[in-house]
Amino acid sequence: EAEVAQSPRYKITEKSQAVAFWCDPISGHATLYWYRQILGQGPELLVQFQDESVVDDSQLPKDRFSAERLKGVDSTLKIQPAELGDSAMYLCASSLAQSRTQYFGPGTRLTVL
Amino acid sequence: DAKTTQPTSMDCAEGRAANLPCNHSTISGNEYVYWYRQIHSQGPQYIIHGLKNNETNEMASLIITEDRKSSTLILPHATLRDTAVYYCIVRVNQAAGNKLTFGGGTRVLVKP
Repeated sequence: EAEVAQSPRYKITEKSQAVAFWCDPISGHATLYWYRQILGQGPELLVQFQDESVVDDSQLPKDRFSAERLKGVDSTLKIQPAELGDSAMYLCASSLAQSRTQYFGPGTRLTVL
Repeated sequence: DAKTTQPTSMDCAEGRAANLPCNHSTISGNEYVYWYRQIHSQGPQYIIHGLKNNETNEMASLIITEDRKSSTLILPHATLRDTAVYYCIVRVNQAAGNKLTFGGGTRVLVKP
């Protein structure tokens, strides 16, 4: 069964450092999502791509966060500089199209010291 | 997206059916009911979704009331591996506004 891949699974960094997360969606999935999940809460959408285009980044803190999906396949989410409050699980999801079911990867757990 | 209301937590016995309720009284006609679950430290796992008819797959059954204001997820024979947080979400299946809005979910503990 095809799955969404994410790396790294765990990341520890110091505040003010830069971090990057990678996501490889299920093959053929045109829509890709990045969510952030703070401990004890449900995931919240950060950014949504349709192919290589951003369709929703209204909740992305653009002063420090950036996301790209240059060839419309895999994607990178970057934080620079990281802050203590960025400690969370970063989840990637993909779907065949925007109207279809989303499937999640295992996530990257970020700890900022 | 319509807001959903779920119990904070519930226990169930291994081997018995687990019935997870969800209220979505403000659901719109074009909004689907989705269920995901999240086992500790893993990404959310899709379980099932439906619009107005009852649905069944290899994981669970989804029962939606006729007025669509509530639904129940049924795990027919709960196992210890079903211990997880279960999220009930309503969303439109269209190009715009289709993001998943997660609430607090129901923390389900399956006991031996």
